Order: sequence, then structure tokens, then C-alpha cells
Amino acid sequence: QLQLQESGPGLVKPSETLSLTCTVSGGPISSSSYYWGWIRQPPGKGLEWIGSIYYTGSTYYNPSLKSRVTISVDTSKDQFSLKLSSVTAADTAVYYCARPSLIQGYGMDVWGQGTTVTVSS
Amino acid sequence: QSALTQPASVSGSPGQSITISCTGTSTDVGGYNFVSWYQQHPGKAPKLMIYDVSSRPSGVSNRFSGSKSGNTASLTISGLQAEDEADYYCSSYTTSSTWVFGGGTKLAVL
Repeated sequence: QLQLQESGPGLVKPSETLSLTCTVSGGPISSSSYYWGWIRQPPGKGLEWIGSIYYTGSTYYNPSLKSRVTISVDTSKDQFSLKLSSVTAADTAVYYCARPSLIQGYGMDVWGQGTTVTVSS
Repeated sequence: QSALTQPASVSGSPGQSITISCTGTSTDVGGYNFVSWYQQHPGKAPKLMIYDVSSRPSGVSNRFSGSKSGNTASLTISGLQAEDEADYYCSSYTTSSTWVFGGGTKLAVL
């Protein structure tokens, strides 16, 4: 059974870069049937799609975050990563990694448990 | 891109049916049949309940159903149960090859 696990610092200082990694276990990241994505949820608020990547390295970003976001994939380690630069308190959120599935109409059928990132000095 | 529009809250009694709407534009909900719905209980990750507007993943109860007309998609939950109380989010793949979520709807089972 495929599982996703987010990892990274829980506290980031304002103006610095937030870096998170999602490790895929139980299945290969190099599958033509899936994308890999990042979604976040600020405290008490709704879900926001950050961006997605295909195993080939093609990336797709939320236009509102595009200037600050970089998503990359390491197929040798079955991992994909998120970097969000110049963070502010507004970037405080639970960050999820997930798997958008071409088989299920781009629906995100597998999610990580989420990791809380707080932006504070 | 703007978030899809959902009602902030809906409520129903056990056994009843409720419907949650999700309104977008011709570049997202109206552009493709790639609308998904997610259930999220407090402190938990979202769970995919509906994809391709009306398809259910294996293991999801047939009490959950989806539909779409034009730029508006809908999720209907029939035979409400206490365990259905949660937040529900719609999402759509867009014509710009991006994803967009709705603002979320809190379902109360009274």
C-alpha cells in the first residue's frame, strides 16, 4: 500500500526558505499514471494547492505562489521536495503531500499525514 | 485562479440527505469532468470521496454521489450518519493544467 511521509523543519524564520520533502513508500515514484503534489492548510482555513510535479520533472504551480515555489523530484530516492522562499507568517500552515491520479481524474487519492510549519522569529 | 465557491456550512439530521454545491468557471469545473470531492475530519488528512464528477473510489460508501451542471458541481450525501460530520472540499483540474480547491463546507449532523 502506497504511503507518503512529509519531513522537514517545523519552524522557519521570516524571509527564509521553507524546505520540505515527501518520501514515497510502497510504490515507485516513476509512474506515468500519477503526479505528485503539495497542498497546504493555514490554521482554521481551507485547502490551497501549491503545485505538482510529474516524474519526468514537469512542474505546475499555483499562479499566486509561482514566483516563490520550486518543486523537484528525485526518482532514485522516491522523494519529491518543496521549496518556498521569502516566507512570512501567512505561510504558516499544515503542509500535505499527495498523489494526483490520472486514473482517478486528477483526484488526489493518497495523502501524507501532514506536517505543521510555523513561520516565526 | 480563484477558489471555487462552496457554502460555508450545511446541516442535516440523521437519515436525511444534503447537497453541497461547488461553483467555478468554464476554465475549471465547466471545462473538464475532473471534479473531485474530499472529506476531512478534524486533525486528519483529506480523503478522496468522489472523482471524475461522480465516480467513487473503492471503499467509499454509495451514500456519497456527485453530479455537475455547467460550472457547478454538487456532492449529495444520503442517509446522513453522525460519522459524516466533517469538512468537505471540492477540487477541479483546470484548463491551465493546475488544480484549484473550493473554500470548504462544514457539515453538521444535528
